[in-house]
Amino acid sequence: ETGVTQSPTHLIKTRGQQVTLRCSSQSGHNTVSWYQQALGQGPQFIFQYYREEENGRGNFPPRFSGLQFPNYSSELNVNALELDDSALYLCASSLYRDPTDTQYFGPGTRLTVL
Amino acid sequence: AQRVTQPEKLLSVFKGAPVELKCNYSYSGSPELFWYVQYSRQRLQLLLRHISRESIKGFTADLNKGETSFHLKKPFAQEEDSAMYYCALFNQGGKLIFGQGTELSVKP
Repeated sequence: ETGVTQSPTHLIKTRGQQVTLRCSSQSGHNTVSWYQQALGQGPQFIFQYYREEENGRGNFPPRFSGLQFPNYSSELNVNALELDDSALYLCASSLYRDPTDTQYFGPGTRLTVL
Repeated sequence: AQRVTQPEKLLSVFKGAPVELKCNYSYSGSPELFWYVQYSRQRLQLLLRHISRESIKGFTADLNKGETSFHLKKPFAQEEDSAMYYCALFNQGGKLIFGQGTELSVKP
């Protein structure tokens, strides 16, 4: 059984650019959630995907978008990057039997916006 | 508003001392509460969830609906318990709401 993986590990972008972060879910999991963790803060929910459809969204603007693929891997896209987007981005996968099923986290992608 | 508050950013104790990491929540429904832990250079992982009523690595947490609290306790801290601890609440929308985290430092 493989765990949740994320790529890349680190990324540096400039303001106004676009970025795509990738997540590979744990084997057998059909749900993926994305979180933003700013320095010194707890993770903040961005959105969740279940069976390739968005299944809930936090207080993030539309320039944060996502995709889930048939193999349950996922992407987080952020357009028009701002300095405040600098953070650790975490994805978490789970098996959607009920909404409170345990989420398994990846190691994160550290995004720096200059 | 749905919110999780961890009032202490840092908690420092000596090995063998009791530990209590505080967590208070604000939620109108029946809460599903969790504690997550992040050891140095490791990923965030589930420590325990209140509905399981289990003890993991000697830690327990009791949901107190009257005080809207879910404090994490361990009677005798070990050096390997040093980590970041996050309390989290699952809302009806299926999302985890995390507190800001408490860094636990256990000194020898």
